[in-house]
Amino acid sequence: DAGVTQSPTHLIKTRGQQVTLRCSPKSGHDTVSWYQQALGQGPQFIFQYYEEEERQRGNFPDRFSGHQFPNYSSELNVNALLLGDSALYLCASSGVNEKLFFGSGTQLSVL
Amino acid sequence: GEDVEQSLFLSVREGDSSVINCTYTDSSSTYLYWYKQEPGAGLQLLTYIFSNMDMKQDQRLTVLLNKKDKHLSLRIADTQTGDSAIYFCAESEPPSAGTASKLTFGTGTRLQVTL
Repeated sequence: DAGVTQSPTHLIKTRGQQVTLRCSPKSGHDTVSWYQQALGQGPQFIFQYYEEEERQRGNFPDRFSGHQFPNYSSELNVNALLLGDSALYLCASSGVNEKLFFGSGTQLSVL
Repeated sequence: GEDVEQSLFLSVREGDSSVINCTYTDSSSTYLYWYKQEPGAGLQLLTYIFSNMDMKQDQRLTVLLNKKDKHLSLRIADTQTGDSAIYFCAESEPPSAGTASKLTFGTGTRLQVTL
């Protein structure tokens, strides 16, 4: 049983560009959450998707957007990248009211 | 708002017990979690405790919760070099209908195990 898978593992972009990160949830899970982990910090909640809709959102600007597909996989899009967007982006999946399981993350570097 | 605090660093000798502490502010927290993160990796759920419990033991791990003081600790017995990692405390509020838990994490405690 595959766990939560994320792609790509590493990504380098320049300021102003746009990026798309992908996540496939653990089998049987229908809810996907995204977290941003800056260097030396704990993860911070970006948003959560369930039934293809954004259900909860953290304190992140509109440059951060997402999507969930009918197969429960999800994408995180970031527009107009800033240097401060450099971080490890973690995807977590769960069933409703169940514990979160995290992927290994995508390391994004913005130059 | 929610806030979770942890000490930044802990060094222990192999075979000793490690105790990692965490304080949180949200009195409506339902679950409190401990996650482990190894270099270059994601988060591994180690254990969790429901807020109406005061202790949970799972093999070498013991979680103690003092709800009155909003203090959570993780004790690792017989600490091994493979336990070297960053440990995150996290809390969640009761999820709304149709949502999963949203976690608030501390900044993490780096555990160094020396020989």
